[in-house]
Amino acid sequence: QVQLQESGPGLVKPSQTLSLICTVSGDSINSGGYYYSWIRQPPGKVLEWIGYMHSSGTVYYIPSLKSRLTMSLDISENQVSLQLRSVTAADTAVYYCSRSRWPMGPWVVWGRGKLVTVSS
Amino acid sequence: EIVLTQSPGTLSLSPGQRATLSCRASQSVSNNYLAWYQQKRGQAPRLLIFGGSSRATGIPDRFTGSGSGTDFTLTISRLEPEDFAVYFCQQYGRSVTFGGGTKVEIK
Repeated sequence: QVQLQESGPGLVKPSQTLSLICTVSGDSINSGGYYYSWIRQPPGKVLEWIGYMHSSGTVYYIPSLKSRLTMSLDISENQVSLQLRSVTAADTAVYYCSRSRWPMGPWVVWGRGKLVTVSS
Repeated sequence: EIVLTQSPGTLSLSPGQRATLSCRASQSVSNNYLAWYQQKRGQAPRLLIFGGSSRATGIPDRFTGSGSGTDFTLTISRLEPEDFAVYFCQQYGRSVTFGGGTKVEIK
């Protein structure tokens, strides 16, 4: 059974880069043509989908984050990574990695989430 | 952007009662691409319903999704103790947006 696990620093300073890794276990990341999405949830607020990385390498970022966001695949490590540059307090959230057969969900498989706080 | 408005914000009910949750979209959701999730404190969301009315694998039949266009409903026929949680709707017909959630709490 496939599992996703987010990892990375829990505290990032304003203006710096938030970097997270989603490690996939139980399946190979480049098999099956899945879309790996990142979804975030600021404390007490609504979920926000921020984009996907397809196992083929295709990416999509939501327009509001496109200028600051990079997603990538590491096939050898079976990982998907997220980098969000020039962060502010508004980027404080639980970041979830998820997997779907479709680019915009719905999502059955989710990681447990990683809380990232932006603060000096 | 399609805005999803969920109501009520909080539903206070007792185990065994019926819960009716609403999700209203600001524009028609194409192909009924509307999903419902359950989220418990400190956990990732769990997919319950997709395509407006199809249950995800392993979801008990007390959960029913219905509706079309701009008005969707999640019904829990008889609340079990493990059903007290927050429920979100999500549309994936045009980009992705989520509703603000309905908290189902024990009365």
